Amino acid sequence: DAGVIQSPRHEVTEMGQEVTLRCKPISGHNSLFWYRQTMMRGLELLIYFNNNVPIDDSGMPEDRFSAKMPNASFSTLKIQPSEPRDSAVYFCASSPPGGGKGEQFFGPGTRLTVL
Amino acid sequence: GDSVTQMEGPVTLSEEAFLTINCTYTATGYPSLFWYVQYPGEGLQLLLKATKADDKGSNKGFEATYRKETTSFHLEKGSVQVSDSAVYFCALSLYSSASKIIFGSGTRLSIRP
Repeated sequence: DAGVIQSPRHEVTEMGQEVTLRCKPISGHNSLFWYRQTMMRGLELLIYFNNNVPIDDSGMPEDRFSAKMPNASFSTLKIQPSEPRDSAVYFCASSPPGGGKGEQFFGPGTRLTVL
Repeated sequence: GDSVTQMEGPVTLSEEAFLTINCTYTATGYPSLFWYVQYPGEGLQLLLKATKADDKGSNKGFEATYRKETTSFHLEKGSVQVSDSAVYFCALSLYSSASKIIFGSGTRLSIRP
């Protein structure tokens, strides 16, 4: 079975540009999570969805960040405009109905560099 | 609020040494507890879990026991290998929060040949 798929794996962009990160969760999973990982701040939960509905977006740093989940098999995280401090590895994770007793399945991440 | 505290890294050991990574938690309910591992360049993956007090989770030679009285879930391995070099995250999940997981800050482990 395919795991969580993220694209692109690496993204280099210039400050002020729009960045879109994509995620395909594991088929049959109904919860999806976006995380950001940096050396300074560690692993941060940005937002999570349940049945395509955003449940908690309190971790989204500011209005420049937005996330959507138009259907059960696709989600995007958009940064507009991007800034150098957004440079990080962004992970998407999914979990099955019932929460899988808390287990989440992580994608390989997108390493974002904003120059 | 609910939180997880784990020992600061980095931890450097020689191959075949005994490993302990301490983890304590604070939770308002009865959480499930987890250890996740992140190998270089990869996402996190579940290493082991325990869902109730006194349960022992185990996988790949690693063990952790859910201690409610001390609110702890320490990770142990009797003989580490170079391939165990990774970042280890202790975490908890409360069913009241659906499948949301609260992660600790991570402990980087390096094993010398």
